[in-house]
Amino acid sequence: EAQVTQNPRYLITVTGKKLTVTCSQNMNHEYMSWYRQDPGLGLRQIYYSMNVEVTDKGDVPEGYKVSRKEKRNFPLILESPSPNQTSLYFCASSLSSVYSNQPQHFGDGTRLSIL
Amino acid sequence: TQLLEQSPQFLSIQEGENLTVYCNSSSVFSSLQWYRQEPGEGPVLLVTVVTGGEVKKLKRLTFQFGDARKDSSLHITAAQPGDTGLYLCAGGNYGQNFVFGPGTRLSVLP
Repeated sequence: EAQVTQNPRYLITVTGKKLTVTCSQNMNHEYMSWYRQDPGLGLRQIYYSMNVEVTDKGDVPEGYKVSRKEKRNFPLILESPSPNQTSLYFCASSLSSVYSNQPQHFGDGTRLSIL
Repeated sequence: TQLLEQSPQFLSIQEGENLTVYCNSSSVFSSLQWYRQEPGEGPVLLVTVVTGGEVKKLKRLTFQFGDARKDSSLHITAAQPGDTGLYLCAGGNYGQNFVFGPGTRLSVLP
């Protein structure tokens, strides 16, 4: 089954404790991205990757890191989490970013609470 | 920065009613997508429209892309409780990332 898998689904942690949210897709997609979703603000892009070893900042990259060492994996790293990073996070992938009508396939989300 | 606005923000209706939600921007997009998101899940693509004036139908859902490709609408006929969810529009341009609107949260009461 074609899917985007995120882990963990839920995480409660404390300020400053480094964490990683993993994302994996099995569709051989070139393009992957991370979003955060906050009430009234919709989905805002954090980072994206056009292909292996190619990553770039989205609209809200501060406080986050990503890596793309393999095509299927795109982890999101919070080196020193702060309470304002409490949010619902989604990983997404699509065949290519070059053609604007490509559908994005989303994971089921990671609800992150930073105390 | 390209922005998308959606209206209404919230909508609560009775089963069987018709409704229209809107997605507007001051920017032109080469394509526009509509997604539906249910609680505890990620957004799922409903449709992509790419031509100004284009109309697409998906069962009881009708999507229209504005002639100037700056706006779009989603019309639901005879809404059902299964239509409940958050409806998101996303605008895209060639070689660029998609921009998402804040969403319309629809509740259809039985």
